[in-house]
Amino acid sequence: AQKITQTQPGMFVQEKEAVTLDCTYDTSDPSYGLFWYKQPSSGEMIFLIYQGSYDQQNATEGRYSLNFQKARKSANLVISASQLGDSAMYFCAMREGRETSYDKVIFGPGTSLSVIP
Amino acid sequence: GAVVSQHPSRVICKSGTSVKIECRSLDFQATTMFWYRQFPKQSLMLMATSNEGSKATYEQGVEKDKFLINHASLTLSTLTVTSAHPEDSSFYICSARRQGNTEAFFGQGTRLTVV
Repeated sequence: AQKITQTQPGMFVQEKEAVTLDCTYDTSDPSYGLFWYKQPSSGEMIFLIYQGSYDQQNATEGRYSLNFQKARKSANLVISASQLGDSAMYFCAMREGRETSYDKVIFGPGTSLSVIP
Repeated sequence: GAVVSQHPSRVICKSGTSVKIECRSLDFQATTMFWYRQFPKQSLMLMATSNEGSKATYEQGVEKDKFLINHASLTLSTLTVTSAHPEDSSFYICSARRQGNTEAFFGQGTRLTVV
């Protein structure tokens, strides 16, 4: 069963505007972590932001913020002031269990973001 | 941040041959590394979890005899695609996480083309 859902296969946003990329997840484990990664056309995976299931506040990292709604099991990524370099694939990912190094991380299907000048 | 180096970045091989991909953690010890496979315009699919000094744990549907994983040291894991076929052509990417660190660090990926 799909554990991570990203319902937007492709998104467009005007440069300098904000954009929200959706992510919903499914887990019965009370301890988990949620990640967002950016993958440009070069293929490298760039870590953007992390939210732990017990974190009280929404995570923020520069222009990236994570809108964490635990009851809804959603972890949307908000990118403010979009830049042309933000055009890439964006993956939501989840780690179940406590933060041990061997806990595997699974990925959602991804959203392709295109920033329009 | 920590660095994970993956080599080679691109490889073309003939059908029936084997290809080895290396994943190294350059500035930390990785007791566990993860191997993913990514087809064009698709997500990363976890293939296996590589544990230092023990056998890898493969995900359902992944042939362990075809994708040999060796984690010989705390800084090196290798994935060998044996008897490669054109359908094995894909982007293979490894990741490692330091104990107590939330972020998973990824290698640059290897684009394998089997002709």
